[in-house]
Amino acid sequence: KAGVTQTPRYLIKTRGQQVTLSCSPISGHRSVSWYQQTPGQGLQFLFEYFSETQRNKGNFPGRFSGRQFSNSRSEMNVSTLELGDSALYLCASSLAWRAEAFFGQGTRLTVV
Amino acid sequence: GIQVEQSPPDLILQEGANSTLRCNFSDSVNNLQWFHQNPWGQLINLFYIPSGTKQNGRLSATTVATERYSLLYISSSQTTDSGVYFCAVGVYNQGGKLIFGQGTELSVKP
Repeated sequence: KAGVTQTPRYLIKTRGQQVTLSCSPISGHRSVSWYQQTPGQGLQFLFEYFSETQRNKGNFPGRFSGRQFSNSRSEMNVSTLELGDSALYLCASSLAWRAEAFFGQGTRLTVV
Repeated sequence: GIQVEQSPPDLILQEGANSTLRCNFSDSVNNLQWFHQNPWGQLINLFYIPSGTKQNGRLSATTVATERYSLLYISSSQTTDSGVYFCAVGVYNQGGKLIFGQGTELSVKP
């Protein structure tokens, strides 16, 4: 069974640009969550989707958004990139809401 | 909100030694997971353990939910055990959101 797949793995963007990251969950999993990891703040929750609905949102500015499609794949978008958005972005999928989470390999975003 | 504290923050061991990593949390939880972050950044699931004790090879974990802590035991450590270990908890009114501790960075020397 394939694991959680995140694309792209690495990304370099310029300040002010926008970026879209993709996450394909484990087959059959309906819940997808996103996390940001930085050396200073550690791992922080961005948002969670279940059955195409955002169920929970972390304390991030509105520049961070996401969505989930009918096949459970999810995307997150960051607009007007800032240097501080440089981070490892991790996606997790769960079979059901509140169940054990499994993480992808992450997308490492560098903003220059 | 709930606080998750891991100790120690850093740990250096000789190959073959045993270790215990601790995770304290400040409120009731409905989910507790231990992860090992590999050098490429991926979080590898070790245990899903909201309560009780589990073992998987050289690793075992115990969560005492009533006393709000969890322990991860690593026996006969190997250099491949090096990396950062994270504890993450979920709480009842926050869906599937996981709150992570700051991690324990383990270095196993040959």
